[in-house]
Amino acid sequence: SAVISQKPSRDICQRGTSLTIQCQVDSQVTMMFWYRQQPGQSLTLIATANQGSEATYESGFVIDKFPISRPNLTFSTLTVSNMSPEDSSIYLCSVAYGQEVSGAFFGQGTRLTVV
Amino acid sequence: EDKVVQSPLSLVVHEGDTVTLNCSYEVTNFRSLLWYKQEKKAPTFLFMLTSSGIEKKSGRLSSILDKKELFSILNITATQTGDSAIYLCAVENTGNQFYFGTGTSLTVIP
Repeated sequence: SAVISQKPSRDICQRGTSLTIQCQVDSQVTMMFWYRQQPGQSLTLIATANQGSEATYESGFVIDKFPISRPNLTFSTLTVSNMSPEDSSIYLCSVAYGQEVSGAFFGQGTRLTVV
Repeated sequence: EDKVVQSPLSLVVHEGDTVTLNCSYEVTNFRSLLWYKQEKKAPTFLFMLTSSGIEKKSGRLSSILDKKELFSILNITATQTGDSAIYLCAVENTGNQFYFGTGTSLTVIP
């Protein structure tokens, strides 16, 4: 399985500011995903990060609020923009190998608190 | 609509007990079913199941898949306090989409 480095591990941010979360994988992966996990809930997919093109967002998530970059097959960023306390959550980067190998693997997660 | 349902939502047991966690799914174009353990932030991978009836085992944990009845179980024997966590079930389809259940929160009391 891939080694996935996600940072920051945690942050406390002021409302109205933005935070960029980075996800670095030690090997080329086909798929990269960003999830949000609000307190007491399961994982919610925000978007699929597409290499070299715009991310594919799930219903309820928009690019202006959660811009995503994926410049190559091993790196992606998620920005949480104009934050409010409702954005306080764990954000998780996940990778998959597509048709080659089944399964998804996760980064260490970022615990975000907005005050 | 594709979905994954886990039960129970939460469970409290004493050390040494055996627990069975359930995961049922309705996902078209099934590829695999995955179990994860989530303690703090990131889910850690436990098992991947693709074939019916073949038990996967790792120490005190085991899991099996029934593709006819569309469910899987995760067994933990001789539970320890370190098993306290949320256990997530996910199903991957052939389009590389993942569907997660809400998780089962397990608490093991000394």
